[in-house]
Amino acid sequence: GAVVSQHPSRVICKSGTSVKIECRSLDFQATTMFWYRQFPKQSLMLMATSNEGSKATYEQGVEKDKFLINHASLTLSTLTVTSAHPEDSSFYICSARITAKETQYFGPGTRLLVL
Amino acid sequence: AQKITQTQPGMFVQEKEAVTLDCTYDTSDQSYGLFWYKQPSSGEMIFLIYQGSYDEQNATEGRYSLNFQKARKSANLVISASQLGDSAMYFCAMREALYGNNRLAFGKGNQVVVIP
Repeated sequence: GAVVSQHPSRVICKSGTSVKIECRSLDFQATTMFWYRQFPKQSLMLMATSNEGSKATYEQGVEKDKFLINHASLTLSTLTVTSAHPEDSSFYICSARITAKETQYFGPGTRLLVL
Repeated sequence: AQKITQTQPGMFVQEKEAVTLDCTYDTSDQSYGLFWYKQPSSGEMIFLIYQGSYDEQNATEGRYSLNFQKARKSANLVISASQLGDSAMYFCAMREALYGNNRLAFGKGNQVVVIP
């Protein structure tokens, strides 16, 4: 149990395009999902907390208009990188928390390369 | 201020031996949770073990155990009988009740390489 999927696993796009990443909890409902960004050989940096049915809460320094988050159902959250630029190239990973439980379960991550 | 500290350099461990990964944390909260995750080269984050601040016994999950020393604010991970598949980055993380929504703060990670 507690499986989280992420799609796509890898994406290469041209500068200026938008990229949507999906995060799904496959066998449980998640009222809260989290989006992280990780640069090579560094730790995870929390970008935003995604709450089902309400607006996401963004961490300081993260542009909400640049990284659009939608949590439309209890099993799906999406992150859209708008007008992507090469500096947005990174590893994006989501996690989901089973309601009333402690542990966050992570998706397999998405490697984004913007040319 | 950094909440989770993992300062060990990369470690080489002989297969079948035990390895201890250090983690210290900083919090003024009485209620918090500590986690360890494993990240192999594929990138996925694999949950290993959880310790609640009010848990009196050290958490164990198979070959993983957490040496929780509350007064010293340390939560070291012990991996017994290392296997080649244990080669990965290991991250310590903390959830504070003050955060709300169970946000986690991660340490910088420990690199472990298991050698045959």
